[in-house]
Amino acid sequence: NAGVTQTPKFQVLKTGQSMTLQCAQDMNHNSMYWYRQDPGMGLRLIYYSASEGTTDKGEVPNGYNVSRLNKREFSLRLESAAPSQTSVYFCASTVHIIEATEAFFGQGTRLTVV
Amino acid sequence: GQQVMQIPQYQHVQEGEDFTTYCNSSTTLSNIQWYKQRPGGHPVFLIQLVKSGEVKKQKRLTFQFGEAKKNSSLHITATQTTDVGTYFCAGISGTASKLTFGTGTRLQVTL
Repeated sequence: NAGVTQTPKFQVLKTGQSMTLQCAQDMNHNSMYWYRQDPGMGLRLIYYSASEGTTDKGEVPNGYNVSRLNKREFSLRLESAAPSQTSVYFCASTVHIIEATEAFFGQGTRLTVV
Repeated sequence: GQQVMQIPQYQHVQEGEDFTTYCNSSTTLSNIQWYKQRPGGHPVFLIQLVKSGEVKKQKRLTFQFGEAKKNSSLHITATQTTDVGTYFCAGISGTASKLTFGTGTRLQVTL
């Protein structure tokens, strides 16, 4: 099993460019999350999806949009990238959000906006 | 909104010394999870505590969940260089349904 797969692993964008970060899990998990981690900082929740067809804002949603395409996939889109969005982005999934079971993380996407 | 703070932010110990990180939530938690992130890696689940006052052990690691379910601690006995990394607590509060991570404690262990 691959677990949680994120693509791309690295990306450099120019200010104003757009891009979509892809995340897929093969564990049949209901809930998925997007976090960002700035250097030396903790994980801040951007958006989450408790189940297929639902999405909700986290702590830092501004500048991002998400799409829960199906149970497996949860994508994060930056419409107009800004240097402040330079960060490492992690996707995670759990069986069920209410019961707060173990979260599995992807390897991360290292994004630099210049 | 829910805030989860951890102290200290950073700790540097000599191998063999003990280490403790504390996690404090602004709201009551349904449960608490702990994760470890190695430098350059992604967070990896260590354990989950559910009951008020619960204590769990994993070899040299001891985890506690406070009676009021608003705080938790992770204690490592006799640290080793393999313990290097950042330790995060995480939890869900009430009906928020968001898995919120603490600010993390970075542990450095030297010989």
